[in-house]
Amino acid sequence: DAGITQSPRHKVTETGTPVTLRCHQTENHRYMYWYRQDPGHGLRLIHYSYGVKDTDKGEVSDGYSVSRSKTEDFLLTLESATSSQTSVYFCAIRIGGTGAGGELFFGEGSRLTVL
Amino acid sequence: KNQVEQSPQSLIILEGKNCTLQCNYTVSPFSNLRWYKQDTGRGPVSLTIMTFSENTKSNGRYTATLDADTKQSSLHITASQLSDSASYICVVIGGNNNDMRFGAGTRLTVKP
Repeated sequence: DAGITQSPRHKVTETGTPVTLRCHQTENHRYMYWYRQDPGHGLRLIHYSYGVKDTDKGEVSDGYSVSRSKTEDFLLTLESATSSQTSVYFCAIRIGGTGAGGELFFGEGSRLTVL
Repeated sequence: KNQVEQSPQSLIILEGKNCTLQCNYTVSPFSNLRWYKQDTGRGPVSLTIMTFSENTKSNGRYTATLDADTKQSSLHITASQLSDSASYICVVIGGNNNDMRFGAGTRLTVKP
């Protein structure tokens, strides 16, 4: 258990509404990530953070923004949710740095349904 | 095209039987490869890591192999149990930035 908590775990919302998912860690790790997981696809990186207020885009960042105002919290925001953003979202922390030995530890996921 | 391809997409076996899951990758340069297990409704959990110099590594009933020349890895599960029912995800770390590239996973169902 790497001390990662995601909230909410389940959410149903309507197209066009804003949504924020929260990832909280208890161990002050520097690197945090947001992925989405869809059937037939591997986990795809949305955004990541390498420190407070330091974030960067992943391969599927369109329609998403992130913020990290504290080491322990990494927020993912959908400004105006679309049905294509229906997915399961996973937060992860990377322990061991970004070198080859670094390992990802995942949260339990947040299932988002956009109607 | 995904740089990490897994096969089969899904597999059903009887309890007690063995099975082998495959992972082929094109990621280059290669740093290491990990197998993750993901139970339904949970996040992935690391099973094993394979570095360039390792050919075989075991973790209980799980044995991973790596052939860095052919860019293939396999995960062999021996004497399957109902609790092995899960998705198994191959992750290759490499490229210029040591990015993590995920396969789509193999969904294993073990039936009594």
